[in-house]
Amino acid sequence: QSVLTQPPSASGTPGQRVTISCSGSSSNIGSNYVYWYRQFPGTAPKLLIYRNDQRPSGVPDRFSGSKSGTSASLAISGLRSEDEADYCCAAWDDSLSGWVFGGGTKLTVL
Amino acid sequence: QVQLVQSGAEVRKPGASVKVSCKASGYTFSTFYMHWVRQAPGQGLEWMGIIHPSGGSTSYAQKFQGRVTMTRDTSTSTVYMELSSLRSEDTAMYYCARDDCINGVCYPSYWGQGTLVTVSS
Repeated sequence: QSVLTQPPSASGTPGQRVTISCSGSSSNIGSNYVYWYRQFPGTAPKLLIYRNDQRPSGVPDRFSGSKSGTSASLAISGLRSEDEADYCCAAWDDSLSGWVFGGGTKLTVL
Repeated sequence: QVQLVQSGAEVRKPGASVKVSCKASGYTFSTFYMHWVRQAPGQGLEWMGIIHPSGGSTSYAQKFQGRVTMTRDTSTSTVYMELSSLRSEDTAMYYCARDDCINGVCYPSYWGQGTLVTVSS
């Protein structure tokens, strides 16, 4: 059971905009930054969004992050087949004194 | 460029220990914290703990306290994660992940390729 809650799956058609939610609590998302990672099958996670809404160099602006209260969202616009992957949120948890992750959302491009 | 190269897959029997290595290159080893994160088959990521390569200070997730030991060798720019009293539930891919920091806020950024640990009798 992951500390951060994500829907197990999401889907969209090419060109569409999809959002993936991440729900936490006051000790993690409510008081700290949120990070998003993308993971293709059989590979390591890769940082997609840091500090709620910042993109590392090389990440296209089709990807955007936002945070409100104890929840966060990742939005992907102009969906492409190559976006099909698992997406996971993360945050520092003050109560646990450690990093917590969501269970991951498998994105399918129909 | 930052590279984290982990040791190869391991198979252990229940009750045994395993030690996984993560060799860093492309940056000053002593500067950034290193995390260990694991992922059981079909499951989400789970943070195990963190080590600072400079002084060797560590902080472990409560779940792994007493079973995990993280160490480093500055001469080879390598960090290690040893997990003892293995059980079948420890079967997972184990990742090292280096921090990146902006304005004093640090987060796991660069990841190793992962090491599969299988615990089976």
